[in-house]
Amino acid sequence: EPEVTQTPSHQVTQMGQEVILRCVPISNHLYFYWYRQILGQKVEFLVSFYNNEISEKSEIFDDQFSVERPDGSNFTLKIRSTKLEDSAMYFCASSIQTGNNSPLHFGNGTRLTVT
Amino acid sequence: RKEVEQDPGPFNVPEGATVAFNCTYSNSASQSFFWYRQDCRKEPKLLMSVYSSGNEDGRFTAQLNRASQYISLLIRDSKLSDSATYLCVVNKGGSYIPTFGRGTSLIVHP
Repeated sequence: EPEVTQTPSHQVTQMGQEVILRCVPISNHLYFYWYRQILGQKVEFLVSFYNNEISEKSEIFDDQFSVERPDGSNFTLKIRSTKLEDSAMYFCASSIQTGNNSPLHFGNGTRLTVT
Repeated sequence: RKEVEQDPGPFNVPEGATVAFNCTYSNSASQSFFWYRQDCRKEPKLLMSVYSSGNEDGRFTAQLNRASQYISLLIRDSKLSDSATYLCVVNKGGSYIPTFGRGTSLIVHP
């Protein structure tokens, strides 16, 4: 079964550093998402991406965050200047379309630790 | 009122028990509903979509009540492997962005 892959599985960085989290969505999927989950809390929406542009973003997704699809397969999340509170599990997801017939397929996640 | 609200539990049940979880949502325009399962420190995995007429998948039954704005998940004949957090997911009204509830923790013991 095709799957969403994320790298790295764990990233440790110092406060103020830039990080790039990488994702390869399922190949025939058209919608891409980033979510995050702070330890012990709920899964929170960050941003959705369709047709090479951001379709929606949450209040969390401020100017420190950006997304890119640099080629036909990768989908990246960049955090420009990390803060301690950015420590979380970051999940990439993709779907073939939107709505009930097309649930999200999640990657294994990247655990980001900011020290 | 939170967008998607769930009782966090934990629900602690013996093997073979039947257990039910409810989830309420605030936006009456919501159109898509799902239950996901999340194991500790793992990614959410789709358990089932929830349709207006209700739907069943083996031991799992999902129901939607639009008038009262809640969805439910019933698990029959619980197995040890059902132990996990069950996430209610609702698309925001006017948007197709899936919004997650905090999850309900289920512990099935021998």
